[in-house]
Amino acid sequence: DSGVTQTPKHLITATGQRVTLRCSPRSGDLSVYWYQQSLDQGLQFLIQYYNGEERAKGNILERFSAQQFPDLHSELNLSSLELGDSALYFCASSVDGRTGTSWETQYFGPGTRLLVL
Amino acid sequence: QKEVEQDPGPLSVPEGAIVSLNCTYSNSAFQYFMWYRQYSRKGPELLMYTYSSGNKEDGRFTAQVDKSSKYISLFIRDSQPSDSATYLCAMTSQGAQKLVFGQGTRLTINP
Repeated sequence: DSGVTQTPKHLITATGQRVTLRCSPRSGDLSVYWYQQSLDQGLQFLIQYYNGEERAKGNILERFSAQQFPDLHSELNLSSLELGDSALYFCASSVDGRTGTSWETQYFGPGTRLLVL
Repeated sequence: QKEVEQDPGPLSVPEGAIVSLNCTYSNSAFQYFMWYRQYSRKGPELLMYTYSSGNKEDGRFTAQVDKSSKYISLFIRDSQPSDSATYLCAMTSQGAQKLVFGQGTRLTINP
């Protein structure tokens, strides 16, 4: 168990809908990353937050947005969903504010499996 | 061309064999190299972490980085059926804030 939690585990929805994925980082970790994993694209970085602020953006669609709250949990919002958005969405955390663990060592949650019908 | 190339396999070997998994990359700025193990329907689990060139050993696992060739390897000795998983290489550069992953190699260890 990495210490990173994600809810829900599974999500089935229809095209055009909006969903919210939630992530709680490891205790003490300040940085949260979101990744998308699909069969054809592999694991792709979407976005990173550090202590509430956006730090880096990857291949994240404009229909997707994220935020990190004061308690350091993060939410990824996916809107106007399309069939191609079906994938596994992972959250990872790093940078322990107490021990200073480096940001390169990212610990992944169990993921949310999204199916858009 | 992808920044990180990894043979997706699948790779099937008998129990006890030495397994070699490899990735090549094109970005010479990459300095941090990781190997993750992902079991079916689970999140990636950090297995090995190496900075710059050289070797690192942890139990039955050895990670090698050859920056001159832009080539990294993971060796698994005395492979066990429990090692059956998808192995992903990942790498990044100083200050990049994101990991770039290979496609993953699906490995099966046969009893």
